[in-house]
Amino acid sequence: QLQLRESGPGLVRPSETLSLTCSVSGASIVSSSYYWGWIRQPPGKGLEWIGSVYYNNNTYKTPSLRGRVSISVDTSLNHFSLKLRSVTAADTAVYYCAVSTIIPRRANLPWFDPWGPGTLVTVSS
Amino acid sequence: DIQLTQSPSSLSASVGDRVTITCQASQDISHFLNWYQHKPGRAPKLLIYDASNLQTGVPSRFSGSGSGTYFTFTINRLQPEDIATYYCQQYDGLPLFGQGTRLDMK
Repeated sequence: QLQLRESGPGLVRPSETLSLTCSVSGASIVSSSYYWGWIRQPPGKGLEWIGSVYYNNNTYKTPSLRGRVSISVDTSLNHFSLKLRSVTAADTAVYYCAVSTIIPRRANLPWFDPWGPGTLVTVSS
Repeated sequence: DIQLTQSPSSLSASVGDRVTITCQASQDISHFLNWYQHKPGRAPKLLIYDASNLQTGVPSRFSGSGSGTYFTFTINRLQPEDIATYYCQQYDGLPLFGQGTRLDMK
């Protein structure tokens, strides 16, 4: 059974880099069947897709964050990571990792299932 | 860019009620529309994919319909455990979630 779990600092200073890791169990991150993604939810707001990465490090990113976001895969540790640079208070959110199962010849990012439990990251000095 | 308009933003209903949420896309997205349930402190859960397909293990009181630009999500015979926020999500372009509908018990 594929399971995900986020980890990383719960507090980040403004202007610094937010770094999170998603550990994958029950599947190989090198699988050709999945894209591995990040989604966040700021307090009191809705869900926002951040970006997704393939095992070969091919990525899709939301346009509004593209210049600050890096997403990568570590095949040796079976996890993938998110880095968000130059954070502000607006980046305070619960961050989720999630999986998209590729539909061949139709969609790389059809839906997200399953998700990790989420981790709260607060940006504050 | 595709926009999604989900409504209502919140609603109250009673146990046993039928609840309907709508999601309107700014352009034709065929059937590339999914629905999620999100409870506080929990991971979002996929309920419906491709507009009308029930994800494995999801109770049959949940259903979805629609295509093109207009989609509906329905809960028949509302149960107390259905209290949550519900989101639509399109994937005709890059993934995008609707604004969410907060459902609580009357």
